[in-house]
Amino acid sequence: SQLAEENPWALSVHEGESVTVNCSYKTSITALQWYRQKSGEGPAQLILIRSNEREKRNGRLRATLDTSSQSSSLSITATRCEDTAVYFCATDANTGYQNFYFGKGTSLTVIP
Amino acid sequence: GGIITQTPKFLIGQEGQKLTLKCQQNFNHDTMYWYRQDSGKGLRLIYYSITENDLQKGDLSEGYDASREKKSSFSLTVTSAQKNEMAVFLCASRQYFGPGTRLTVL
Repeated sequence: SQLAEENPWALSVHEGESVTVNCSYKTSITALQWYRQKSGEGPAQLILIRSNEREKRNGRLRATLDTSSQSSSLSITATRCEDTAVYFCATDANTGYQNFYFGKGTSLTVIP
Repeated sequence: GGIITQTPKFLIGQEGQKLTLKCQQNFNHDTMYWYRQDSGKGLRLIYYSITENDLQKGDLSEGYDASREKKSSFSLTVTSAQKNEMAVFLCASRQYFGPGTRLTVL
């Protein structure tokens, strides 16, 4: 069974709007990562957030982590067409960064 | 900055064939990974290696072999390709991913 799961499965927004993708996970973690995968490319890491952190930012991206509810969110502000991609969360399931378990992803479409 | 190179980019095989995928990285990282990505199923870990000559099985290792003879390279072998199989195989060096090898089995 999946150790990490993103929701919703897919969503679309208009350029300039903000959007949030959620992730729930099933085990304790050392860290959680958010990745973006554009069509035809490999995933690219956006943010790594450690279990003792509650929030991390990277430009227009903001990730939160709530270890008590085993959930995380990734918010993107002022979306652009180039943000169109599949977004994955991945947890290390307390392996100390050795393995990361990915969810199935959320497909985001930004409409011009 | 570093780069991860995966060869070939596209691989077409026949049922029962043994197929080898290669991955090179110049980050000088110790840990490398092979993932399989099927449509609608996310990424699943096949093998990983924490240093040269080390191999660790992931959740999907059955049907695959791996080799890490040098720190910079990590290869994956599909031991017997399954008919109609289609997937993307992604190599990673720590958090950095290559562009993938797209496998089709006829």
